[in-house]
Amino acid sequence: DTAVSQTPKYLVTQMGNDKSIKCEQNLGHDTMYWYKQDSKKFLKIMFSYNNKELIINETVPNRFSPKSPDKAHLNLHINSLELGDSAVYFCASGHSGSETQYFGPGTRLLVL
Amino acid sequence: QKEVEQDPGPLSVPEGAIVSLNCTYSNSAFQYFMWYRQYSRKGPELLMYTYSSGNKEDGRFTAQVDKSSKYISLFIRDSQPSDSATYLCAMSASGGYQKVTFGTGTKLQVIP
Repeated sequence: DTAVSQTPKYLVTQMGNDKSIKCEQNLGHDTMYWYKQDSKKFLKIMFSYNNKELIINETVPNRFSPKSPDKAHLNLHINSLELGDSAVYFCASGHSGSETQYFGPGTRLLVL
Repeated sequence: QKEVEQDPGPLSVPEGAIVSLNCTYSNSAFQYFMWYRQYSRKGPELLMYTYSSGNKEDGRFTAQVDKSSKYISLFIRDSQPSDSATYLCAMSASGGYQKVTFGTGTKLQVIP
């Protein structure tokens, strides 16, 4: 019954590695988002996809590459991980005609 | 100056108190205003949603928007220990999948 799910929940990795986070929603929404929440709880949008098309791309290093294989999935691949990438990454989804967003449980990334 | 300012707290109140949480913003184009609640180690969940100025009530929660002052508030009546969480204000300029800007969140603790 999970509405927005993310895997993995925790990710501990070394600097320089490449990692992926996956997100799936079963709410029938047409828009999905990736947010980064830093240690001070500031939640900042990174990307947004509507019907598999990129519609919001904030100032994010190009080491971050989102991919949406279909409307229900939005993955985030991060190349050459840096210490500053340590954060909680949240996936969210919503309808394009609504401001309401439903968040996943988050993926806690720690780069050592 | 950030687009959305929110006092990070923490705010500590006794059970049964009335809680007032506030945000100020600088972008006069914002028309949609939301409050999200985030429990520790969980994703944010939508609590209240308001369009333009005015008040909205839902049970013990009341959201107020004053666009002339660029100021929004969330009031919690008869606060409960289960209300202990971080409260994030959020706002956007237009409907749909446009960018939502979040405040940094106020951590609330309700003491039994």
